[in-house]
Amino acid sequence: GQSLEQPSEVTAVEGAIVQINCTYQTSGFYGLSWYQQHDGGAPTFLSYNALDGLEETGRFSSFLSRSDSYGYLLLQELQMKDSASYFCSHKAAGNKLTFGGGTRVLVKP
Amino acid sequence: DTEVTQTPKHLVMGMTNKKSLKCEQHMGHRAMYWYKQKAKKPPELMFVYSYEKLSINESVPSRFSPECPNSSLLNLHLHALQPEDSALYLCASSQDSGLRTDTQYFGPGTRLTVL
Repeated sequence: GQSLEQPSEVTAVEGAIVQINCTYQTSGFYGLSWYQQHDGGAPTFLSYNALDGLEETGRFSSFLSRSDSYGYLLLQELQMKDSASYFCSHKAAGNKLTFGGGTRVLVKP
Repeated sequence: DTEVTQTPKHLVMGMTNKKSLKCEQHMGHRAMYWYKQKAKKPPELMFVYSYEKLSINESVPSRFSPECPNSSLLNLHLHALQPEDSALYLCASSQDSGLRTDTQYFGPGTRLTVL
C-alpha cells in the first residue's frame, strides 16, 4: 500500500525558514511531489523529485532520499502569502496520486 | 491556457436530487481525475479517466457516476447522496504522457452540501 506521513502544523515568522518532512511507504516508487493549497483554493504543483538530491525553485526547494524513504520541502524567506497547507504526494502506476495528510503552515508577522 | 474550470462553484442538494458537476480543460491533457476533499484532509482519489476511458475507480459508491464525453470534459453525476458526501470535489488533469513527471493541474473545486 501507499502511505505518506508529514507533520500536521508548523508556525513560523516572516523571513524565517521552514522545513516540512515527509516519510513514505510505497510499493513501487515513481517520485515525490509537493502541492500547495490555500484555504478555499485548489492544490497547485510546487515541485517533483524522482532522484535523490535537492531541487530548487525560487524560495522553495525539495529534497529526496530514496534510501531513507524520506523527503522534505524547504520554504525560505517566508512571506505571509505562504500560509497554506502543503501536501507531499506519490504517484503510483495508472496515474494514481496519493497524498500525505498535509502540513498547515502559519506565517506570523 | 493552464486552467481547469469547474462548475458550479457551490451546490446544495437534497438526498433525493440528481445533479451533475462539470469539469473542463483545454490543455490537450488526456488524463482527467475526480477527487473528494473533506475539511482539513488531503484530496482522496475517486476516479481516473485515461484517453476517455475509465481506468481507476477507487471503490466509489454507485451514487457517484463519472462520465467523460470527450477529452476536454469530465462530468460527475450525483444521485441519492448522503449528508456525509458533503465535501469539496476537485477535478484535475494531466498529460498522461507516461512520464513520471506527469503533473496534475487542479480546478478550483465544487463545494457540495447535501441536506
